[in-house]
Amino acid sequence: NAGVMQNPRHLVRRRGQEARLRCSPMKGHSHVYWYRQLPEEGLKFMVYLQKENIIDESGMPKERFSAEFPKEGPSILRIQQVVRGDSAAYFCASSRGLAGGNEQFFGPGTRLTVL
Amino acid sequence: AQRVTQPEKLLSVFKGAPVELKCNYSYSGSPELFWYVQYSRQRLQLLLRHISRESIKGFTADLNKGETSFHLKKPFAQEEDSAMYYCALSNSGAGSYQLTFGKGTKLSVIP
Repeated sequence: NAGVMQNPRHLVRRRGQEARLRCSPMKGHSHVYWYRQLPEEGLKFMVYLQKENIIDESGMPKERFSAEFPKEGPSILRIQQVVRGDSAAYFCASSRGLAGGNEQFFGPGTRLTVL
Repeated sequence: AQRVTQPEKLLSVFKGAPVELKCNYSYSGSPELFWYVQYSRQRLQLLLRHISRESIKGFTADLNKGETSFHLKKPFAQEEDSAMYYCALSNSGAGSYQLTFGKGTKLSVIP
């Protein structure tokens, strides 16, 4: 089992461009979580998805950010019209069920740099 | 609002010395507490959780509800313990999937 996969590992975008971050959960996992880590900060929860459903997006900025987890393929975190403040490490995690009883396994992260 | 505080950004100890990484939390309900570790060039991984009461790699952590703390301890530090350590909290009930992380402590074990 290769674990949670994220790509790309590094992404550079200019202000105003779009960023697409991909996450493939571990085999057998149907729950995906996205976290953002700003420089010198801890990871902050953004969104929790199950296949074809957004369960909780309370941590997502209201504008420019969206996430999906289609029936087939990886989960996508999309940031439109990126700004310098979006520069951060974005981590995806997956689990079999809810975190209360099931461990979240983390991917290696995608480091987004906005020029 | 729930919050996790790790007061030390960097902690350096000599090999064989005791280690204590501090973690304090703020939460009105009944939390679950975790310690995650990230070794150099590796991904974040769970080290231990308070409900399992295990000792992993010689590390232990006790939840102190009176002091709202969950400090991570090891009696004798090893060089391979050098890593970033994050304390995290989740609700034990509804919304238990949301992990709230501290800013992390970088542990450096000096040979």
